[in-house]
Amino acid sequence: NAGVTQTPKFQVLKTGQSMTLQCAQDMNHNSMYWYRQDPGMGLRLIYYSASEGTTDKGEVPNGYNVSRLNKREFSLRLESAAPSQTSVYFCASTGQGSSYNSPLHFGNGTRLTVT
Amino acid sequence: SQQGEEDPQALSIQEGENATMNCSYKTSINNLQWYRQNSGRGLVHLILIRSNEREKHSGRLRVTLDTSKKSSSLLITASRAADTASYFCASGSGNTGKLIFGQGTTLQVKP
Repeated sequence: NAGVTQTPKFQVLKTGQSMTLQCAQDMNHNSMYWYRQDPGMGLRLIYYSASEGTTDKGEVPNGYNVSRLNKREFSLRLESAAPSQTSVYFCASTGQGSSYNSPLHFGNGTRLTVT
Repeated sequence: SQQGEEDPQALSIQEGENATMNCSYKTSINNLQWYRQNSGRGLVHLILIRSNEREKHSGRLRVTLDTSKKSSSLLITASRAADTASYFCASGSGNTGKLIFGQGTTLQVKP
């Protein structure tokens, strides 16, 4: 059971470079989420997709774009990376339409450093 | 802004002791969830308590919820070295589908 798979696991970017973080889940979940985790800040929601074909902003969406490619895949794109985007990024999914009444399943994260 | 705040930020105990972590939140919620994170890994769901529940148990875990004080606590009984991890509370409210996480409590259980 793969669950939620994130790629890559690690990435180093230079300021201004772009990249896409990939996330796929094999649990037939409807909703998918992108969080970032910074020391002392807990997890903050960047974007989420309540169902295939929809996306919405979270707490900290600036500097990011997302694509819900299909039911399985939800990607996060940094168009012009900045040092402030150095963080650990987590993708999560849940099966019951929205997260507020059901548990999230997390991937193992992408550790991104922007120099 | 973060809705959940946790206390203490760090906790160190001996194996066999109980560990209690507290979480406070700011607005009305539908449910509150607790997650564990081992170093270098993603978060794992532990337990969910709904706003109309006051206490819930799962194995060695006991969660309480006091909506009048906007607070929750997680008790781990008879702790083990394998319980060493960070623990996060997360609250869901309204119909936005968003889950807001606290800053976490880092628990160290010494063998």
